Parts: sequence; C-alpha cells; structure tokens
Amino acid sequence: DAGVIQSPRHEVTEMGQEVTLRCKPISGHDYLFWYRQTMMRGLELLIYFNNNVPIDDSGMPEDRFSAKMPNASFSTLKIQPSEPRDSAVYFCASGLTIKRFNGYTFGSGTRLTVV
Amino acid sequence: SQQGEEDPQALSIQEGENATMNCSYKTSINNLQWYRQNSGRGLVHLILIRSNEREKHSGRLRVTLDTSKKSSSLLITASRAADTASYFCATDRPTNAGGTSYGKLTFGQGTILTVHP
Repeated sequence: DAGVIQSPRHEVTEMGQEVTLRCKPISGHDYLFWYRQTMMRGLELLIYFNNNVPIDDSGMPEDRFSAKMPNASFSTLKIQPSEPRDSAVYFCASGLTIKRFNGYTFGSGTRLTVV
Repeated sequence: SQQGEEDPQALSIQEGENATMNCSYKTSINNLQWYRQNSGRGLVHLILIRSNEREKHSGRLRVTLDTSKKSSSLLITASRAADTASYFCATDRPTNAGGTSYGKLTFGQGTILTVHP
C-alpha cells in the first residue's frame, strides 16, 4: 500500500496564477480531508468528503478555493487566483470508517509558495 | 476555531523520562485521536480512543479520556530522543443529529516535545 499520495510535493507560483493540488487516497477509504497548515493558524480543516460527496466546506477560506472528488481514487484542491497568503503546506488525509475504524492516514503534503 | 487545545505548548525532557500532554475540547465527540508530526513531515496517526472508552494503551503510549471534563491526556513512557516531534490531538465530531456518523476532524495547536539524549 503506497499510502495517501499527494502531488506535487513543492509548488512555487506567482500571485494570480491558478494552482491545482492533487491527492490519491488509499484504495477503499470512504473519507477524504483537505487541511492547510501554517505557523500562525496551525492545522485548518478546509473541506472533507464522504463517499466522494462534499460534507462540509465551511473551512474553505474564500471562493478562490474549490475542491472536487470526481471518483473514489482522486481529489483536487484548486486555488484561482492564488495569493501570497495562500502559502502553506496542504495535506490530504483519508480513512476507512466502516468496520473497525482506527484513524486517518495523511499524505506527505504539498508545500505551496506564492510569490 | 480550534476544537482541541493542547497543554503544554512545549515540553522539554531527558531521555528515559515520561512525557504527558493534555488536550481539552468543547463539544461532543465520536472519538479523539492523537497524531505525531516530525519537522517538515506529514502527520502520523498514533492512537484513537472512542467516546465510550476511558483508557487505551499502545506500546509506550497511554491515552485517557474523560468525557465529563472534555479532556484527554497522552502519556509517553520511557521517552527516547526519537520521540522528539509535535503531538496533536484531534477530535472527530458527529455530523448528524443522531451523532452516529464520522465527520469533522479538527486539530489543536499541538505540543512540541523535545527529548534530550
């Protein structure tokens, strides 16, 4: 099992550009989360999906942020247009909650720098 | 807003000593989880305790949960230099009125643990 796979690992972009972060959850997992981590705000929950359906997107900071999960094996987080304050590490996590649930698995994160 | 708040914010101990970290939260939960994060890395799940459990062990880890006080503690016994990391508690809150579905996993600010060899 390769775990939760995020790409790219690092992204440097100019202000105003569109940024797309990608996540491949562990096969069979029914929950998928997107988090953002900064020194100032810690780990912020942006949005999460259950069986590919968005359940709560109240953490998405602005309309510039959007997330999709077109199928059980892929999710994207898009920022358009990007701003310097979006610079952070973005984590994706997935979990299987049926049967004996035992926590979520996080990806290695995407470090986004907007200049 | 953060659901869980850890205490202390930073903890510095010698190898071999025990480390205790506390977490308080505000609303009802399905379960509470503890995660570890090494500098510059992703989070690693350590242990999960359900709302109907009071104590759980995993290796050198011991977690307690007091739902009446809305608090949890993580004890790491016989600490090692390799335990140096940030430790986060995360609460998994129900999203439906019946409180049966998994849902909002929110994290506290974390405790930075430094174990000196």
